[in-house]
Amino acid sequence: DQQVKQNSPSLSVQEGRISILNCDYTNSMFDYFLWYKKYPAEGPTFLISISSIKDKNEDGRFTVFLNKSAKHLSLHIVPSQPGDSAVYFCAASLVNTGKLIFGQGTTLQVKP
Amino acid sequence: ETGVTQTPRHLVMGMTNKKSLKCEQHLGHNAMYWYKQSAKKPLELMFVYSLEERVENNSVPSRFSPECPNSSHLFLHLHTLQPEDSALYLCASSQDTASGTDTQYFGPGTRLTVL
Repeated sequence: DQQVKQNSPSLSVQEGRISILNCDYTNSMFDYFLWYKKYPAEGPTFLISISSIKDKNEDGRFTVFLNKSAKHLSLHIVPSQPGDSAVYFCAASLVNTGKLIFGQGTTLQVKP
Repeated sequence: ETGVTQTPRHLVMGMTNKKSLKCEQHLGHNAMYWYKQSAKKPLELMFVYSLEERVENNSVPSRFSPECPNSSHLFLHLHTLQPEDSALYLCASSQDTASGTDTQYFGPGTRLTVL
């Protein structure tokens, strides 16, 4: 049973607009959430994270929102740039385990 | 440059072959991980090593055999694989495993094809 789900396999956005990537999870014990970005032929790179004690974390153009009651998190990228085109993975973990559970990824395409 | 390197980047092997994947991290981390990514599937954690000791084996078949000779190197020995084992194998490292907030840094992966 998949504990972390990204239900949209792909997303296409115009340059300058907002990209919103969504992620749902089933295990209410997860207490730390991360987003990774992956370009072709490269490994995933860490983008941004959020602890379950917060509902928002912002880093430049990237903001992650966490809705614990809905078991949902989202990544907002604004403004979107063509260089943001990549596969985005959300991941969840239980603090003190170091074990990450990944979603299946969403491919973002930002068109010039 | 993520500080985690993997060799080879691509590998094609027959079902009767024995091969090894190598991972090296230059970040001074204490924990290393093997993940498998099959097409259209999430990354699946295979093994976790902390201070050269295996702390997690995620029900991985014995035809995959990890080895961690020191905290900078991690190997995945492969033997008698099946075509369904074809996937991208990713190595990662983090400062420790005890804290779930430590960022994991990934290598570029080895694309494995089993014929």
